[in-house]
Amino acid sequence: EPEVTQTPSHQVTQMGQEVILRCVPISNHLYFYWYRQILGQKVEFLVSFYNNEISEKSEIFDDQFSVERPDGSNFTLKIRSTKLEDSAMYFCASSGSGSRGETQYFGPGTRLLVL
Amino acid sequence: GQNIDQPTEMTATEGAIVQINCTYQTSGFNGLFWYQQHAGEAPTFLSYNVLDGLEEKGRFSSFLSRSKGYSYLLLKELQMKDSASYLCVLGSGNTGKLIFGQGTTLQVKP
Repeated sequence: EPEVTQTPSHQVTQMGQEVILRCVPISNHLYFYWYRQILGQKVEFLVSFYNNEISEKSEIFDDQFSVERPDGSNFTLKIRSTKLEDSAMYFCASSGSGSRGETQYFGPGTRLLVL
Repeated sequence: GQNIDQPTEMTATEGAIVQINCTYQTSGFNGLFWYQQHAGEAPTFLSYNVLDGLEEKGRFSSFLSRSKGYSYLLLKELQMKDSASYLCVLGSGNTGKLIFGQGTTLQVKP
């Protein structure tokens, strides 16, 4: 069964450093998403991406964040200068068409710890 | 904006039935999902409702009333592995983004 994969599973970084989180969505999917979950809190939407551009972003997704699809398979989230409050689990998700009711499939997540 | 309310915790016995309720307010309704999340893992899709009524899928059923802003997830024949968080999730906007509730942590006891 196809699945979304993410690397690394864990990342520890110093405050102010740049991190890149990587995702490989399901191969025939067209819509891609990043969500985050701070420990003990709810899952929060960050950004959606379609046709090589951002289709929607939340207030959390400020200028420190960027996304890219550098090739036909990878989808990345970059945090330019990490802050302590960026520590969270980051989930990538993908769906076939992004349409109403379309199931999103989530990757296993990257646990980011900013020291 | 959106608001989702569900109980924080519930406890049930193995083999029993449990109903997890969710109420919501939203300005643009694009369906209601239920996801399961085990601790430290990703959410996994359980069910989707866009029209009023009951959707059944094996041991899991989900109900929606749009006029009341209400949904529930019904789990039958509970198993120990059903101990997890159950997330009430709104579909929102035109890009398929999901708005998650805080989740209900279900503990299944022998």
